[in-house]
Amino acid sequence: QKEVEQDPGPLSVPEGAIVSLNCTYSNSAFQYFMWYRQYSRKGPELLMYTYSSGNKEDGRFTAQVDKSSKYISLFIRDSQPSDSATYLCAMQSRDDKIIFGKGTRLHILP
Amino acid sequence: DARVTQTPRHKVTEMGQEVTMRCQPILGHNTVFWYRQTMMQGLELLAYFRNRAPLDDSGMPKDRFSAEMPDATLATLKIQPSEPRDSAVYFCASGPYPSGSLHEQYFGPGTRLTVT
Repeated sequence: QKEVEQDPGPLSVPEGAIVSLNCTYSNSAFQYFMWYRQYSRKGPELLMYTYSSGNKEDGRFTAQVDKSSKYISLFIRDSQPSDSATYLCAMQSRDDKIIFGKGTRLHILP
Repeated sequence: DARVTQTPRHKVTEMGQEVTMRCQPILGHNTVFWYRQTMMQGLELLAYFRNRAPLDDSGMPKDRFSAEMPDATLATLKIQPSEPRDSAVYFCASGPYPSGSLHEQYFGPGTRLTVT
């Protein structure tokens, strides 16, 4: 079992819809959970991070962590064509190990 | 607008040649990371430094790869000799915090390496 699993997509949704992106993980030692956005031929850009369980909101973006299920989500409300990108989840453990998911390609259709 | 810069942005070289990639972290950041990204493997951490000292290079093939920080404003990743399987995009990232805080990283634009 891989430490972090992420559906590669592509995921296509109409503009204005709510987008749900997810990752599962197997290592219970992960304590920080991050989401990065990567546009084509660019470097990843940190969207937000969450420590332990719970929700965090930043504008149209909401990150959720469910440590009991080892499942994290990123929700995008009122999705825009400019949200079209690859979204990478990442996780950091207590011993400074960091693992990235392979990313989900998202297309927002105008 | 503080950014991580990387040079060169593109590099095409022949197998066996030495490749050096350079990174300037964001001023004031004390943690620097090197990653490799491929379609098959995704984003993999190769090595990282804190206050210029190497902390973890377990992701790096030791026989051909080396990473250094000659000073606080420059990090280098060297491949010698290069092989076709090294073809990938290499990213540098920097972070503003000390111990334990790998969760906030700012990535550069990457160096796209092609080894023929």
